[in-house]
Amino acid sequence: AQSVTQLGSHVSVSEGALVLLRCNYSSSVPPYLFWYVQYPNQGLQLLLKYTSAATLVKGINGFEAEFKKSETSFHLTKPSAHMSDAAEYFCAVSDLSSYKLIFGSGTRLLVRP
Amino acid sequence: EAGVAQSPRYKIIEKRQSVAFWCNPISGHATLYWYQQILGQGPKLLIQFQNNGVVDDSQLPKDRFSAERLKGVDSTLKIQPAKLEDSAVYLCASSQADSNQPQHFGDGTRLSIL
Repeated sequence: AQSVTQLGSHVSVSEGALVLLRCNYSSSVPPYLFWYVQYPNQGLQLLLKYTSAATLVKGINGFEAEFKKSETSFHLTKPSAHMSDAAEYFCAVSDLSSYKLIFGSGTRLLVRP
Repeated sequence: EAGVAQSPRYKIIEKRQSVAFWCNPISGHATLYWYQQILGQGPKLLIQFQNNGVVDDSQLPKDRFSAERLKGVDSTLKIQPAKLEDSAVYLCASSQADSNQPQHFGDGTRLSIL
């Protein structure tokens, strides 16, 4: 069965610092992987997706993620954090038979001024 | 394009009462999903429709939850009777019929059970 593990329920960085949010997946076949962001009282917004093309995926708002098969990881990074990046971030893997998303438990990003 | 619309945004009911949520997906999206997001957790799929047929309802508590998607467009999710553990945000999402296509989410309905 596919699953996603997000290490760290909370991550705190200073404004301008590197953002690194960790995601490891478990899948018996090459997966489709996604990062979504959720702002308070809103739904989830797609940041980026990996669908077996380039292993380095660029998304919106300056975020990117690298697919590493050997490490079964898909960590999300941003070189310089902005106050507006404060939100909850979810990593998800797609079940290729039904297209449903299996989400991790989320990481709340706090950005300190 | 217009996004996924959900209503109501908030609902407070007492346990054992019934409640219904409505979702209007993005025009042309064949696949519609209902997720339950409990506080502090990631969303969990309750039911998935392809047009007006059910693809996956394996995690839907069928003794109290029901959902329908008439005419393959709008969908309603109902809970009857509600339990305290049903307090959550209910998210609707839609996508084109391809696993390569991302799901687009509505803003959700926050349900509180007293």
